[in-house]
Amino acid sequence: NAGVTQTPKFQVLKTGQSMTLQCAQDMNHEYMSWYRQDPGMGLRLIHYSVGAGITDQGEVPNGYNVSRSTTEDFPLRLLSAAPSQTSVYFCASSRLRQETQYFGPGTRLLVL
Amino acid sequence: AQSVTQLDSQVPVFEEAPVELRCNYSSSVSVYLFWYVQYPNQGLQLLLKYLSGSTLVKGINGFEAEFNKSQTSFHLRKPSVHISDTAEYFCAVSVKGSQGNLIFGKGTKLSVKP
Repeated sequence: NAGVTQTPKFQVLKTGQSMTLQCAQDMNHEYMSWYRQDPGMGLRLIHYSVGAGITDQGEVPNGYNVSRSTTEDFPLRLLSAAPSQTSVYFCASSRLRQETQYFGPGTRLLVL
Repeated sequence: AQSVTQLDSQVPVFEEAPVELRCNYSSSVSVYLFWYVQYPNQGLQLLLKYLSGSTLVKGINGFEAEFNKSQTSFHLRKPSVHISDTAEYFCAVSVKGSQGNLIFGKGTKLSVKP
């Protein structure tokens, strides 16, 4: 089992560029989520999904899109990158919404 | 809405000393409680969790936490820390039976000095 994988590990973008952060899990988990981690702010939920075809907004969804076409994959799209989106992004999955979440290794994003 | 407060943003401690990382939550209903650990440049991993039953929960690496419903607290303790325990620790809460998501505290950085 690879668990939760994320690509890329590190990315530099210019303001206005778009990109997709990839997340995949091989545990057949229904629930997947994206967080951003900023110094002193803890983890803030961006978007989440309770199953294939179902997504919803979290605490800080502006500037991000998600889709969930399969149980395994949950990509996060930055539509037009801004410096305020410089952060470390974590994907997580769990069997059910309130159970233990398993985290990926993170993607470090720098927007210039 | 639920919230989680980690009372200390940084905790420095000497090796082999005991440590307590404090966590308080706000909820008037039954909750699940978690502690996660994040080592430098890594993702988060579960340290321990309270779902029901005994209020004293034991986790990995010698950590334990006690659920105190009257004080709405879930403090993390270790009787003797090692250099390798240097990490950031996150407390999290979710409400039983609800459609709510996991809510994280802002984290406590534990720094163990030789």
